[in-house]
Amino acid sequence: DAKTTQPTSMDCAEGRAANLPCNHSTISGNEYVYWYRQIHSQGPQYIIHGLKNNETNEMASLIITEDRKSSTLILPHATLRDTAVYYCIVRVATNSGYALNFGKGTSLLVTP
Amino acid sequence: DTAVSQTPKYLVTQMGNDKSIKCEQNLGHDTMYWYKQDSKKFLKIMFSYNNKELIINETVPNRFSPKSPDKAHLNLHINSLELGDSAVYFCASSSGNSPLHFGNGTRLTVT
Repeated sequence: DAKTTQPTSMDCAEGRAANLPCNHSTISGNEYVYWYRQIHSQGPQYIIHGLKNNETNEMASLIITEDRKSSTLILPHATLRDTAVYYCIVRVATNSGYALNFGKGTSLLVTP
Repeated sequence: DTAVSQTPKYLVTQMGNDKSIKCEQNLGHDTMYWYKQDSKKFLKIMFSYNNKELIINETVPNRFSPKSPDKAHLNLHINSLELGDSAVYFCASSSGNSPLHFGNGTRLTVT
């Protein structure tokens, strides 16, 4: 699996957009980009994933560069409850399941 | 209506004991996983079962033995517990290319 690089920590003011970057320069053509987050003392929570095109759902938007070597997770209006560790993972998905390998992630602190 | 549930939530036991953690999912998924999160917060895959068959077994000591009685359950039995086994253990499930759904973890403390 391709390795990812994320900043260790970031701050964001409540109500502002949180933009979390991720570098995955060795990503291969069939690898997806997944984003999960882990709020303190809870299990990881799926946010969004994509292959080539930008994606948006009720939680966030995912912007993937044209060369696919980096991506940005956007939380459009961060709230205090978005404080968590955010993980960017690249992985090939198969029909028999897949194992996501979590790195250190980015610790996002949303402040009042 | 919990999707992935683990029991117990907390487990405190002494070295050398044998313990089990249970996991159940009601999502109809065919693949289940066990992850370990250590004190440094790294989350690592331990096992994965697809339709009750073991498909992923990362380098985990033989003292750890997963058991999947059916597609909705994946239990983790640990023999001869050691201090280094203290961690939070997460169960997860998925189906095909769907995202993983995680339980809220079992915090194991070995004294």
